[in-house]
Amino acid sequence: AQKITQTQPGMFVQEKEAVTLDCTYDTSDPSYGLFWYKQPSSGEMIFLIYQGSYDQQNATEGRYSLNFQKARKSANLVISASQLGDSAMYFCAMRGNSGGSNYKLTFGKGTLLTVNP
Amino acid sequence: DTAVSQTPKYLVTQMGNDKSIKCEQNLGHDTMYWYKQDSKKFLKIMFSYNNKELIINETVPNRFSPKSPDKAHLNLHINSLELGDSAVYFCASSKVQGSYEQYFGPGTRLTVT
Repeated sequence: AQKITQTQPGMFVQEKEAVTLDCTYDTSDPSYGLFWYKQPSSGEMIFLIYQGSYDQQNATEGRYSLNFQKARKSANLVISASQLGDSAMYFCAMRGNSGGSNYKLTFGKGTLLTVNP
Repeated sequence: DTAVSQTPKYLVTQMGNDKSIKCEQNLGHDTMYWYKQDSKKFLKIMFSYNNKELIINETVPNRFSPKSPDKAHLNLHINSLELGDSAVYFCASSKVQGSYEQYFGPGTRLTVT
């Protein structure tokens, strides 16, 4: 079974500062993927970034980077230079990579990020 | 052009009724999914189809029945609606089963009174 834990129900950050959203996970799968999704108040789910468990380098996508620490089973999202439009709910998710029903995404409970001007 | 579309966007109905939510993707993807997001924003997978074949079927009451008439469509039919079925239902698709990027539809907010 897979489990995702996001311990921060809410976070606040000043515009233009960096913020880290925490995510820890647990799985027995030897190969797995970690994801972050953004859900603005409008409700749509937006894929942000992906990290494979065997990837040697941390994933980056523009202002988003994933701080992957495999031994600690953590996959924190770092948002640099926060913008007002970053205010949203952020979900960490994972799935196994061995095929079939293993591909289902398991989500954490989310962190609500508020960017202050 | 909307990549993944769902109809209706809002659905208000009474307990005991039967309703359907439709999903269509125009991305040429092989795999489609249904997720449920409850009032606490918790997202959970319900079903997944790959090339019209059911591959993921989570512990969901059998009042929920997905149907995939073709690769581009995955509909969700719910019988005998209950108050606890009130939620936002998201459809999503991915290029193939193993693709890491899933494209989500806008969601359907179902309210059962």
